[in-house]
Amino acid sequence: IAGITQAPTSQILAAGRRMTLRCTQDMRHNAMYWYRQDLGLGLRLIHYSNTAGTTGKGEVPDGYSVSRANTDDFPLTLASAVPSQTSVYFCASSDPTDNTGELFFGEGSRLTVL
Amino acid sequence: GQNIDQPTEMTATEGAIVQINCTYQTSGFNGLFWYQQHAGEAPTFLSYNVLDGLEEKGRFSSFLSRSKGYSYLLLKELQMKDSASYLCAVSDSNYQLIWGAGTKLIIKP
Repeated sequence: IAGITQAPTSQILAAGRRMTLRCTQDMRHNAMYWYRQDLGLGLRLIHYSNTAGTTGKGEVPDGYSVSRANTDDFPLTLASAVPSQTSVYFCASSDPTDNTGELFFGEGSRLTVL
Repeated sequence: GQNIDQPTEMTATEGAIVQINCTYQTSGFNGLFWYQQHAGEAPTFLSYNVLDGLEEKGRFSSFLSRSKGYSYLLLKELQMKDSASYLCAVSDSNYQLIWGAGTKLIIKP
């Protein structure tokens, strides 16, 4: 099935541990994004990548890092997890040639940091 | 600062019509999006407005007034499956999306 695949679906993590959330897309979209979604708040952009080999910081980048070695993969790493990083994380992609800028989302990764 | 305002929760009856409002204040404007998000699932695209006026797509319509910083999503002939959160988002001058917190729509039989 074409689209975006995220892993893991959910994870409970001890504070201080390192964690990588994986994201893979097969739509050959150049642009990819990582968002976090918390109750009562809108989606907040963590990091983005406009094309393979480039990344940029979003609204809430602290404590997170990303890489974009190729078009398909865009992993998000928490170097040393803290409880405030408990959230639902969504990976998304878009086709810059699409004038609407529609985002396609993965199913999300629910992360709990204890 | 930039912000998007939409009601936290709304309740409507199956078969009825509901209008979900969204007001925005952003630095620049490059379009407004509505997404639907069922509980525990990913957001899915509903509509995109960049010019003033009404865009109709089946039972869903979206309206935009750029001068008023205002949009609404109109859902007709409500079905139980329309129970979801509806997210409003604006693309700013840098083409970054600013998201509202979402409106949870509860449909009652």
